[in-house]
Amino acid sequence: NAGVMQNPRHLVRRRGQEARLRCSPMKGHSHVYWYRQLPEEGLKFMVYLQKENIIDESGMPKERFSAEFPKEGPSILRIQQVVRGDSAAYFCASSPGNAEKLFFGSGTQLSVL
Amino acid sequence: DAKTTQPTSMDCAEGRAANLPCNHSTISGNEYVYWYRQIHSQGPQYIIHGLKNNETNEMASLIITEDRKSSTLILPHATLRDTAVYYCIVRGYNAGNMLTFGGGTRLMVKP
Repeated sequence: NAGVMQNPRHLVRRRGQEARLRCSPMKGHSHVYWYRQLPEEGLKFMVYLQKENIIDESGMPKERFSAEFPKEGPSILRIQQVVRGDSAAYFCASSPGNAEKLFFGSGTQLSVL
Repeated sequence: DAKTTQPTSMDCAEGRAANLPCNHSTISGNEYVYWYRQIHSQGPQYIIHGLKNNETNEMASLIITEDRKSSTLILPHATLRDTAVYYCIVRGYNAGNMLTFGGGTRLMVKP
């Protein structure tokens, strides 16, 4: 049973471009969470999704950021018109259900030039 | 979810037990204590969790005080690969399912 898979592992974008980060949860997991970790800072919750539904997006910036978890395929975190301050490690986690422990992926390191 | 307080950093000699404390004095009856760790540049790794009884698994032991206001994570024989940031998280058993990470304890295991 493969773990949580995130790709790409590293992503380089120029200011103003779009960044798409993908997360495939563990088999049988229908809950996905995205976290961001800025350099030398802690992990900050961004968004919690179940299949086709956003449950909690209280940690998402109001503009340029969006997330989806379609019925088929991976969860996508999209950042439009990236700025240097978006440079960070983005981690995805999944769980099989409510109140279950979370399993994390290896993250995507986004660098904005 | 209740807040937690952990020391910023700790050192431990290789082969010795590492005891990482956590205070959670405002914990409520239905909140669990979770421990995760993050080794440099990697995703957080689940270690152990408990409600009120002490717990043990292949990685660690979790000791929760009787009043549940504090807990200790014990790594019985620390190795260099246990060097990481350790997060103590209190999490309610409800629909607010996300984990809220604080600053954690940076454990340095030294040879």
